[in-house]
Amino acid sequence: AQSVTQPDIHITVSEGASLELRCNYSYGATPYLFWYVQSPGQGLQLLLKYFSGDTLVQGIKGFEAEFKRSQSSFNLRKPSVHWSDAAEYFCAVGAGYGGATNKLIFGTGTLLAVQP
Amino acid sequence: SAVISQKPSRDICQRGTSLTIQCQVDSQVTMMFWYRQQPGQSLTLIATANQGSEATYESGFVIDKFPISRPNLTFSTLTVSNMSPEDSSIYLCSVHDRNNEQFFGPGTRLTVL
Repeated sequence: AQSVTQPDIHITVSEGASLELRCNYSYGATPYLFWYVQSPGQGLQLLLKYFSGDTLVQGIKGFEAEFKRSQSSFNLRKPSVHWSDAAEYFCAVGAGYGGATNKLIFGTGTLLAVQP
Repeated sequence: SAVISQKPSRDICQRGTSLTIQCQVDSQVTMMFWYRQQPGQSLTLIATANQGSEATYESGFVIDKFPISRPNLTFSTLTVSNMSPEDSSIYLCSVHDRNNEQFFGPGTRLTVL
């Protein structure tokens, strides 16, 4: 069965430091992978996605993620974190028919705190 | 990207009552989805709603508890029936666009007393 694991429940980084949020997935075929961010009291916003091609994908707000098939991972990175990045981050895999995105399976989320 | 609105944004309800949540999209979409996010938890898909057909429910969710309507290509409702405190959650509507991306509404925060 398809699944997504985010091993880190809570991460704290200093403003200006680099960030890496881990995501591992279990899926039989080439997955469609996503990162979403949920700020307090806000809805979910799509940061970036991977469908195929270049395994390093760029997203909004300076985020990037790298798909590594051999490790079944899709880790999210940012070189320099801003205080406004404090939020909860969800990794998701598209698990519909033929790997489509009509059904998303979400990880449990990583709550990011940013220290001044 | 689609713009999605939900009503109500939040509500506090009594046990045993029902609440209908509305989802409106600013463009026509084939597929609409309803998710639940329980306190401190991740999102779980409740059902997929296509216009003109019965909603498709995920394991653990049934039509009697979560009836869904999809009268046209821009609107859907989810009803949470015979509520109990365990139904306290954020309920989110989402749509699927031609770029294979899902966009989410702001959510409805439901508290059941």
